[in-house]
Amino acid sequence: QKEVEQDPGPLSVPEGAIVSLNCTYSNSAFQYFMWYRQYSRKGPELLMYTYSSGNKEDGRFTAQVDKSSKYISLFIRDSQPSDSATYLCAMSLGGATNKLIFGTGTLLAVQP
Amino acid sequence: EAEVAQSPRYKITEKSQAVAFWCDPISGHATLYWYRQILGQGPELLVQFQDESVVDDSQLPKDRFSAERLKGVDSTLKIQPAELGDSAMYLCASSIGTASNEKLFFGSGTQLSVL
Repeated sequence: QKEVEQDPGPLSVPEGAIVSLNCTYSNSAFQYFMWYRQYSRKGPELLMYTYSSGNKEDGRFTAQVDKSSKYISLFIRDSQPSDSATYLCAMSLGGATNKLIFGTGTLLAVQP
Repeated sequence: EAEVAQSPRYKITEKSQAVAFWCDPISGHATLYWYRQILGQGPELLVQFQDESVVDDSQLPKDRFSAERLKGVDSTLKIQPAELGDSAMYLCASSIGTASNEKLFFGSGTQLSVL
């Protein structure tokens, strides 16, 4: 069993839809949770960073962490075609840069 | 905006040949990382440098892979000899340091194809 599980998709939604992306994990010691966006043939770019449990909002993006369920989510409101990309969850024990464990990524396509 | 520079963008090589990738981190970033991303998977850490010193190379296949950051600035990752299973995107990333709230910046990667 992988430490971090993520549905690879692809996920196709119409423009303006609310998108929900999720990851589950097995290591209860993870404390730092990140969401990265990766466009085709580009490196990942940090979208959201959360420490421990709770919610965090940044514009159209909301990240949720439920440590009791070992489940994290990223919500995208009013999705745009420019949101079409692969979304990677990542987590670690010791900070937002150290020994990140990534999920496999979910490919999202927002149809105009 | 400052970026992590990587070259080449694409590399095609034959099995058993040697290949090398270069990375120039964002100026002032002391910590440098090499990740490998196989198609359809998330990135996996190969090696982490703090300045010129290796901090973690536990996942680096040392029989064929080597990495250096001689002056604590740019870095080179080498594979010799390359194998078919090495085909992947090799990503370099950097951060100012390793404090818990630091941000990781990735380059655009080198796409390696081993034939």
